[in-house]
Amino acid sequence: DGGITQSPKYLFRKEGQNVTLSCEQNLNHDAMYWYRQDPGQGLRLIYYSQIVNDFQKGDIAEGYSVSREKKESFPLTVTSAQKNPTAFYLCASKGQAYYGYTFGSGTRLTVV
Amino acid sequence: GQSLEQPSEVTAVEGAIVQINCTYQTSGFYGLSWYQQHDGGAPTFLSYNGLDGLEETGRFSSFLSRSDSYGYLLLQELQMKDSASYFCAVLRGGKLIFGQGTELSVKP
Repeated sequence: DGGITQSPKYLFRKEGQNVTLSCEQNLNHDAMYWYRQDPGQGLRLIYYSQIVNDFQKGDIAEGYSVSREKKESFPLTVTSAQKNPTAFYLCASKGQAYYGYTFGSGTRLTVV
Repeated sequence: GQSLEQPSEVTAVEGAIVQINCTYQTSGFYGLSWYQQHDGGAPTFLSYNGLDGLEETGRFSSFLSRSDSYGYLLLQELQMKDSASYFCAVLRGGKLIFGQGTELSVKP
């Protein structure tokens, strides 16, 4: 079945560490997105990529980095510069012939 | 800039009809979408309005009026499983911008 796989489901980070969240899709979608969700809040866009080897900053890109070397993969690195990284991170993709975004099941990141 | 406003909470009883409103202050967008998210889960796409008017998909309907900068999601024959958060979102410049979400509680 086609879909988006995010891993890990839960991630714990120590202060000062960089961590990378994985996002893989087998939907053959060109566009991929990373969102951050805080408790009781909407989704805020971190980074997005519309084609391989190209990506743009979203509304809250500071302290995050991404790469898009393959169409299927769009990993997100949460760097030590992100001062408040504890949140629920959602990866999404979108095909050209469909208005809806498909979301992964998310990674819950906690700073310990 | 852009912003979307939704009520933070709505409560309704099983079998009833509920309407979740979304007003927006943005321009140049391609349409209004609605997503459902159960607690701790992934958002799932419900509907899209590219043109003014009503779109119906089973028990769910969505409406858009560009002249009024307003849309809504209508849920009929409410079921307990409809308890979730509902987000409106606009597609603009290749990005999906979300509202803060409305938490719907369905009571027996």
